[in-house]
Amino acid sequence: DIRLTQSPSSLSASVGDRVTVTCRASQNIFTSLNWYQQTPGKAPKLLISSASTLQSGVPSRFSGSGSGTDFTLTISSLQPEDFATYFCQQSFSTPRGYTFGLGTKLEI
Amino acid sequence: QLQLQESGPGLVKPSETLSLTCTVSGGSISSSDHYWGWVRQPPGKGLEWIGSIYYSGPTYYNPSLQSRVTLLVDTSKNHFSLKLSSVTAADTAVYYCVRQYQLPPNWFDPWGQGTVVTVSS
Repeated sequence: DIRLTQSPSSLSASVGDRVTVTCRASQNIFTSLNWYQQTPGKAPKLLISSASTLQSGVPSRFSGSGSGTDFTLTISSLQPEDFATYFCQQSFSTPRGYTFGLGTKLEI
Repeated sequence: QLQLQESGPGLVKPSETLSLTCTVSGGSISSSDHYWGWVRQPPGKGLEWIGSIYYSGPTYYNPSLQSRVTLLVDTSKNHFSLKLSSVTAADTAVYYCVRQYQLPPNWFDPWGQGTVVTVSS
């Protein structure tokens, strides 16, 4: 199984801050990585696919980068609605081995 | 706008079979571009992919759950279902149904609102 390790597991920040979340894969997954945002009590929402492709409707302050084993999600200027948990998900092990990171909780 | 809605019992006894249905609205489950799947989230924990099914039948399961999971699709009702047998307390979770893009990067979007299933006697 491909394991995804996210860091940090939690992060305190303020409105306007620039924050970066990291996701490290246990083996080379090229750019087969997606990012999701989950606000409390809600379902996850797809933010970024293929490591860096911003989904339609997602604010441009979100960006993704990386390939191989190391990936980052960056929020350039935190807004109040961005305080949530962020998960990475790999799709290299298609079609039987999709896995998620344990999440990074972004708190005020 | 495509929407997914889970339904089913919120309480299941240990050793019994958990059964959930996901109804798709605003689009056809017979899409050639998508699979339909289930993801769960135990309380306070991360996300776990359970399995995915194509409208014409090909099905893929998480190897760790494969012996207990069955996914079915009913195109006439535009819904798909999950059956998980021999449940234990470890199967207590929020269960989400999802649409999955069938080609890489195989993202999951959108998600249903989720349904809480508790395994307890």
